[in-house]
Amino acid sequence: DTGVSQDPRHKITKRGQNVTFRCDPISEHNRLYWYRQTLGQGPEFLTYFQNEAQLEKSRLLSDRFSAERPKGSFSTLEIQRTEQGDSAMYLCASSLGGVDKLFFGSGTQLSVL
Amino acid sequence: DQQVKQNSPSLSVQEGRISILNCDYTNSMFDYFLWYKKYPAEGPTFLISISSIKDKNEDGRFTVFLNKSAKHLSLHIVPSQPGDSAVYFCAAYGGATNKLIFGTGTLLAVQP
Repeated sequence: DTGVSQDPRHKITKRGQNVTFRCDPISEHNRLYWYRQTLGQGPEFLTYFQNEAQLEKSRLLSDRFSAERPKGSFSTLEIQRTEQGDSAMYLCASSLGGVDKLFFGSGTQLSVL
Repeated sequence: DQQVKQNSPSLSVQEGRISILNCDYTNSMFDYFLWYKKYPAEGPTFLISISSIKDKNEDGRFTVFLNKSAKHLSLHIVPSQPGDSAVYFCAAYGGATNKLIFGTGTLLAVQP
């Protein structure tokens, strides 16, 4: 399977705990995006990387959120001191060069109890 | 500030008939528009796109129409099939932005 893969598919955590998600993009894709989707809403942009450089972050990304893409390959998204409002589907997408035709992974569903 | 709006949360259509999904946008800097389809427990998948220099783009059963003066686009699916049942998201980008802005989605149910 050469698509975008995300791990884990589901994560249940208690409020206040830290969680980390991983995304493996399509191998030759230089851009990697993180989106968040809540029930009844469309995907909302969080941040994106071009190779290893994080070029843009949304105001939605509070100080508790951090994303990395070491060596321009896989990416991790960490949420510290989780809150119930962080419960959502976290989607990763990759593309080659442009923002059109993003290829999405299946997402990580986070539930904060 | 919802820059891309899909005002119909859901739509039900009979198999074989036409499905029309609508999308409005407010940002005049948008110059490229896309439709994505999403099945439950999967990520969105690209369906069809249109540049602002065109007013129509067709791909098989799917056609997207763009009315720039009205800041409105629509996706036509004809004939509709039960496998088309999914959530459809309209998305846009343009100007200096390097990210897609998505609408809230329309759940399409195609009844056999």
